[in-house]
Amino acid sequence: GESVGLHLPTLSVQEGDNSIINCAYSNSASDYFIWYKQESGKGPQFIIDIRSNMDKRQGQRVTVLLNKTVKHLSLQIAATQPGDSAVYFCAEILNTGKLIFGQGTTLQVKP
Amino acid sequence: DTAVSQTPKYLVTQMGNDKSIKCEQNLGHDTMYWYKQDSKKFLKIMFSYNNKELIINETVPNRFSPKSPDKAHLNLHINSLELGDSAVYFCASSQDARRTQYFGPGTRLTVL
Repeated sequence: GESVGLHLPTLSVQEGDNSIINCAYSNSASDYFIWYKQESGKGPQFIIDIRSNMDKRQGQRVTVLLNKTVKHLSLQIAATQPGDSAVYFCAEILNTGKLIFGQGTTLQVKP
Repeated sequence: DTAVSQTPKYLVTQMGNDKSIKCEQNLGHDTMYWYKQDSKKFLKIMFSYNNKELIINETVPNRFSPKSPDKAHLNLHINSLELGDSAVYFCASSQDARRTQYFGPGTRLTVL
């Protein structure tokens, strides 16, 4: 079936700490995964993506890890800042081109 | 210079009315989408168009009718609005159906 899920609905971290947001997906045929950030009142914003032939990809302060064996995706944010507070969605693109979103994790950054 | 734009940002209307939401992208993308986000923030695809042709049509009531006059525009028309249609609707676009999708700012629809 089609489903992408996140392990925790809310994650609260101290400013400056590292954040890890997890996601499980069910479609082993998916070959492209994306993390989006959605701030209050705005649309989802692309953060980072990864193809299934990779297990790690790094951006500026963000790292995405992909474990195809257990169908697990994670987003790591280094030195979390107040501006990182948002809802984070993982998403997978099926081979039909359809984008399936997970349910979202709310990241709260405490000063 | 907004990449994906939607109008209006807020739409408040009575049950039974007909309304439209407009979407435009200036990215030169071939594929456009409509998503619905419910009160629990769950995002679900409704429609996808590639070069003005419908390619994805999820289980959406036929009161919802997308229209793509050209590949830069995808409008969403909703007939006979119901309370359950209240949600935030997002338009998105991508270079093709398997590339990263870029989202508009959303239209918050409230049906009274």
